[in-house]
Amino acid sequence: GNSVTQMEGPVTLSEEAFLTINCTYTATGYPSLFWYVQYPGEGLQLLLKATKADDKGSNKGFEATYRKETTSFHLEKGSVQVSDSAVYFCALRDMRFGAGTRLTVKP
Amino acid sequence: NAGVTQTPKFQVLKTGQSMTLQCAQDMNHNSMYWYRQDPGMGLRLIYYSASEGTTDKGEVPNGYNVSRLNKREFSLRLESAAPSQTSVYFCASSEPYRAHYGYTFGSGTRLTVV
Repeated sequence: GNSVTQMEGPVTLSEEAFLTINCTYTATGYPSLFWYVQYPGEGLQLLLKATKADDKGSNKGFEATYRKETTSFHLEKGSVQVSDSAVYFCALRDMRFGAGTRLTVKP
Repeated sequence: NAGVTQTPKFQVLKTGQSMTLQCAQDMNHNSMYWYRQDPGMGLRLIYYSASEGTTDKGEVPNGYNVSRLNKREFSLRLESAAPSQTSVYFCASSEPYRAHYGYTFGSGTRLTVV
């Protein structure tokens, strides 16, 4: 069946560091892929998405490219801020989520 | 603001008590979902409703029941709460015919069963 494997956390970075959170998937066909973000005490919010192979989703300085050859959808940001501290979830279109990666950014 | 509204935000129950978590969305979405979130487990699907009048089990349905009251509302009921049901519960909705839209989540209900 379909599944998502996400990099285990927690991840702690200094402000302005480069961020990568790995996500790989197993699925039949080419489902849409998503990254969600959960800030403390809140529900999940859609961060970015890609609907087909080689698409790049981007939002708030975050990017992820849908790579069918490696079945991956890694999340990246060039310079993180303290306000990016949150839990990040990779997800497939069929309601399957990764376990989440907690990011803490220190000033 | 358009979105998904969950009530209550917090609840403490004694073992064996029952309660219903309420969820309503005003985006005219066809599909609605209930998830639970536990530390280190990510989100696990409890039940979903692909469209009004239908409900289906997800990954962890035992101990729960659901009702899709109408297109807007999807409730989750715990008939006899157990400490293992201590969790944060999230309701979500989506429009399945627009696959790239993703899901919209409520802000969650934090439930403690003592």
